[in-house]
Amino acid sequence: GAVVSQHPSWVICKSGTSVKIECRSLDFQATTMFWYRQFPKQSLMLMATSNEGSKATYEQGVEKDKFLINHASLTLSTLTVTSAHPEDSSFYICSAKSGASTDTQYFGPGTRLTVL
Amino acid sequence: AQSVTQLGSHVSVSEGALVLLRCNYSSSVPPYLFWYVQYPNQGLQLLLKYTSAATLVKGINGFEAEFKKSETSFHLTKPSAHMSDAAEYFCAVNSWGKLQFGAGTQVVVTP
Repeated sequence: GAVVSQHPSWVICKSGTSVKIECRSLDFQATTMFWYRQFPKQSLMLMATSNEGSKATYEQGVEKDKFLINHASLTLSTLTVTSAHPEDSSFYICSAKSGASTDTQYFGPGTRLTVL
Repeated sequence: AQSVTQLGSHVSVSEGALVLLRCNYSSSVPPYLFWYVQYPNQGLQLLLKYTSAATLVKGINGFEAEFKKSETSFHLTKPSAHMSDAAEYFCAVNSWGKLQFGAGTQVVVTP
């Protein structure tokens, strides 16, 4: 149990285009989903927290108009990178949890974004 | 605020030898602590978690960790390393519903 999927697993796009990444909890209802960014050989950096049916809460320094997050259902959250630029190239990972704030986060396999 | 510090960004261990990854935490409240493993180009997989029950926590793949309040530590161990243990390991603490990650420790297993 506790499986989280992401789609696509990798994507290459041209500078200036937008890219949507999906995160799904396959066997549980995720009241909260998280989006992380990871640079090579570095730890995970939390970008935002989203609760189903509410606006996402962004971490300091993360542009909410650039990284649009939607959590429309208990099993799906999307991250849209708008007007992508090469500096947005990174590994994006989502996680999901249900219930209490202390519950375990289960992570998706990640999405490799390359902006040309 | 809660935080964790992982000592040693790289650890090299011989196959069959003890694996010891160090993690110290800072927390003003009883912490919830986690160890995750990440294989190249993959997401994070939960190894084990401490939630204030037993101080010795057993996880998957033969890993275990011991919570020591007096030392503010939550070190991860495995008695005998396997080649498949080569990966990045992250210690994390729950901080107001979010995870605060350590910098990670890269484990290399040599034959």
